[in-house]
Amino acid sequence: AQSVTQLGSHVSVSEGALVLLRCNYSSSVPPYLFWYVQYPNQGLQLLLKYTSAATLVKGINGFEAEFKKSETSFHLTKPSAHMSDAAEYFCAIDTGGFKTIFGAGTRLFVKA
Amino acid sequence: DTEVTQTPKHLVMGMTNKKSLKCEQHMGHRAMYWYKQKAKKPPELMFVYSYEKLSINESVPSRFSPECPNSSLLNLHLHALQPEDSALYLCASSQDQGIAKNIQYFGAGTRLSVL
Repeated sequence: AQSVTQLGSHVSVSEGALVLLRCNYSSSVPPYLFWYVQYPNQGLQLLLKYTSAATLVKGINGFEAEFKKSETSFHLTKPSAHMSDAAEYFCAIDTGGFKTIFGAGTRLFVKA
Repeated sequence: DTEVTQTPKHLVMGMTNKKSLKCEQHMGHRAMYWYKQKAKKPPELMFVYSYEKLSINESVPSRFSPECPNSSLLNLHLHALQPEDSALYLCASSQDQGIAKNIQYFGAGTRLSVL
């Protein structure tokens, strides 16, 4: 069975600081992995996707994630946080059918 | 156009009411989804339609009835709901084939309150 685990339900950073949101996956086959962001009162928006090409994936809004098979990780980073980055972030894994399994989510707070 | 449009944005209904949620996309996607999202939780898959046929029903109670009239539209008919059904209902769509088939595009959701 495939799964994702997000470490930390809440992360707080200062504006301009590094953002690091952690995601570990479990999969018996090469996974397709995603990061989605959800702003208050909105739906989910795709930030980036890993589909077995480059292990360092660049997404929108300055975010990137690195796929590390040896660590079964797909952590999301951004060098410098902005107030507008405050949102809920979901790591997700494609099960190969129509089902996407979402992690529990990490709420990012950005302090001025 | 990468937009999935959901109406209404907010809905308040009594437990004896019948209402419908609507979802529309014009990206040519042939897979459409309904999710339920409770506060501070990830989305939970309810239904998936592929080429206008119901492909997945995640054991959703029959008081929720999905309908896919054509490739661009998806409805969710609601009847005799319970207060615990109050949630954000999200619609999504995706291509049905290729490497991007499970990249889902989400609507903004319908915030449902059942009184």
